Amino acid sequence: DAMVIQNPRYQVTQFGKPVTLSCSQTLNHNVMYWYQQKSSQAPKLLFHYYDKDFNNEADTPDNFQSRRPNTSFCFLDIRSPGLGDAAMYLCATSPRDRGREQYFGPGTRLTVT
Amino acid sequence: GEDVEQSLFLSVREGDSSVINCTYTDSSSTYLYWYKQEPGAGLQLLTYIFSNMDMKQDQRLTVLLNKKDKHLSLRIADTQTGDSAIYFCAERTQNNAGNMLTFGGGTRLMVKP
Repeated sequence: DAMVIQNPRYQVTQFGKPVTLSCSQTLNHNVMYWYQQKSSQAPKLLFHYYDKDFNNEADTPDNFQSRRPNTSFCFLDIRSPGLGDAAMYLCATSPRDRGREQYFGPGTRLTVT
Repeated sequence: GEDVEQSLFLSVREGDSSVINCTYTDSSSTYLYWYKQEPGAGLQLLTYIFSNMDMKQDQRLTVLLNKKDKHLSLRIADTQTGDSAIYFCAERTQNNAGNMLTFGGGTRLMVKP
């Protein structure tokens, strides 16, 4: 039944060590989003894919990259995590044409030591 | 620009009604949403309202929209301890890249037994 799946749910990485978070969806939605959510704050959009078209938010640091090899999967790569990158990372999807809402995954909580 | 604002905290007693308020600035918003986030979890869509409506009821939830004042509220009837969570309102704006959400900062609802 799971529609948007994120793995792992908890990730610990070391300062400066690259890390990849993954998201998969069974909804066949065109659009996939990555959000960063720090404690007690609103989710902040990092970037999104419209099919294969990548759209980066203007204030997303270069340290954050993304890949979408196919419709179902999307990855968030943090090239050199800093302590300030510790957060919950949320993946969401929506269909293009009739999309009223975004469907969120459960999130991956990233800790940077 | 887009800005969505909410009060930070709300505390109610079990069985009372809760009313969570939200203001937004983008008059072109087509849909407005309420999401619930429990500790350590992703965002769960509770309900949404189309911008040409002024009220929507769904079981214990009532959404009121005052488009003139750009004010949205969520009323939870007979609030239960399981309703304790952070509630985010969000407005939908649309551009060629898809269905974009702007979130408020979230209201933490505490329900006392």
